Amino acid sequence: SAVISQKPSRDICQRGTSLTIQCQVDSQVTMMFWYRQQPGQSLTLIATANQGSEATYESGFVIDKFPISRPNLTFSTLTVSNMSPEDSSIYLCSVESGIAGYFTDTQYFGPGTRLTVL
Amino acid sequence: SQQGEEDPQALSIQEGENATMNCSYKTSINNLQWYRQNSGRGLVHLILIRSNEREKHSGRLRVTLDTSKKSSSLLITASRAADTASYFCVPRGGNTPLVFGKGTRLSVIA
Repeated sequence: SAVISQKPSRDICQRGTSLTIQCQVDSQVTMMFWYRQQPGQSLTLIATANQGSEATYESGFVIDKFPISRPNLTFSTLTVSNMSPEDSSIYLCSVESGIAGYFTDTQYFGPGTRLTVL
Repeated sequence: SQQGEEDPQALSIQEGENATMNCSYKTSINNLQWYRQNSGRGLVHLILIRSNEREKHSGRLRVTLDTSKKSSSLLITASRAADTASYFCVPRGGNTPLVFGKGTRLSVIA
């Protein structure tokens, strides 16, 4: 299993500003993912972040809006840029177990960052 | 896409009763997983059942899988108020991240 922490746990931001969310894992993992959960909705995958390569974004998400860093096998950041009220969501970091470099079985999730944009 | 569809969307039961949630999917799978989310926070992996398995147990949880019908069910026996959460089924077939459906919102009333 993997233990994941996220910072901040919550924040209230003004429109037009940016927020960087940090994700720290207690073990080395190859596959890391960022999800968004808008109020009352299910989780939507934003991007897959692998160490040493550019993040892969899902349809509807772009790097200019959600830049991602993955400097090593235990850490990643997601920035929400030029925020608007529509960006108010819970942002969750997730990892695939192990460093096998391929999709295995279980994904583990961080506690989430609750973002409110005014 | 590999996304499960949970049914019902919402379920309300009394504490001590059993809760059954169903899942349907459309693609071939290697395994199917169930996750729980409390109060819109992080998700917890509950159980994984592989495509060659038909039933699996973990504590008060019982999961069944019927690949011919592309369906699964999650049974929670002797439910508790702490089981109140959203439950998601996630079919997994290949080299892709997990994709989540809308889930079943379970309310267990004390």
